[in-house]
Amino acid sequence: GAVVSQHPSRVICKSGTSVKIECRSLDFQATTMFWYRQFPKKSLMLMATSNEGSKATYEQGVEKDKFLINHASLTLSTLTVTSAHPEDSSFYICSAYSGDRSYNEQFFGPGTRLTVL
Amino acid sequence: KQEVTQIPAALSVPEGENLVLNCSFTDSAIYNLQWFRQDPGKGLTSLLLIQSSQREQTSGRLNASLDKSSGRSTLYIAASQPGDSATYLCAPNRDDKIIFGKGTRLHILP
Repeated sequence: GAVVSQHPSRVICKSGTSVKIECRSLDFQATTMFWYRQFPKKSLMLMATSNEGSKATYEQGVEKDKFLINHASLTLSTLTVTSAHPEDSSFYICSAYSGDRSYNEQFFGPGTRLTVL
Repeated sequence: KQEVTQIPAALSVPEGENLVLNCSFTDSAIYNLQWFRQDPGKGLTSLLLIQSSQREQTSGRLNASLDKSSGRSTLYIAASQPGDSATYLCAPNRDDKIIFGKGTRLHILP
């Protein structure tokens, strides 16, 4: 099956620093990837849609200048949390469609837990 | 805007019981609907995917049904086991956007 990886799995940083999270499709090409975040005991919320070779589309209420998304290749999308603050501490998960769009099934990465001190 | 409701929010049952988790969604124009499980502090495990043209899907002890016109889906778990304890998420997909419900926290008592 289609495999999506994320790196790092866990990161702790100081307030004010920037953190980059990578999302990779390991065995397929993904023109579109999605970024979600999940606060403790809350559901996953879609943050943005990442499109290879073009600008990401952000959901309402998500600051595009704070959460920079770069989808520079068909297998890699990155999410950079700029000037991170404690309220950005969350679980970030990416997903992607596999090459076979006939099922429209999204495959999810294992997630990255960000803790901002 | 798609809204997804899952009932019950939490459920504790003795091992061996059959159980049903319910999901309702407001926008029925969906591509498909996925059910996931999430263990505490972990990512998502896809359980079942039902296409909009399908009525149900089965995998082992799991059976998911979909009534697209009424905006409902159910996940049936047969002969529950302690290892089934997790949060179960319903996720309809419309226009390439998956909207998640808040989930049902399931605890199977040994």
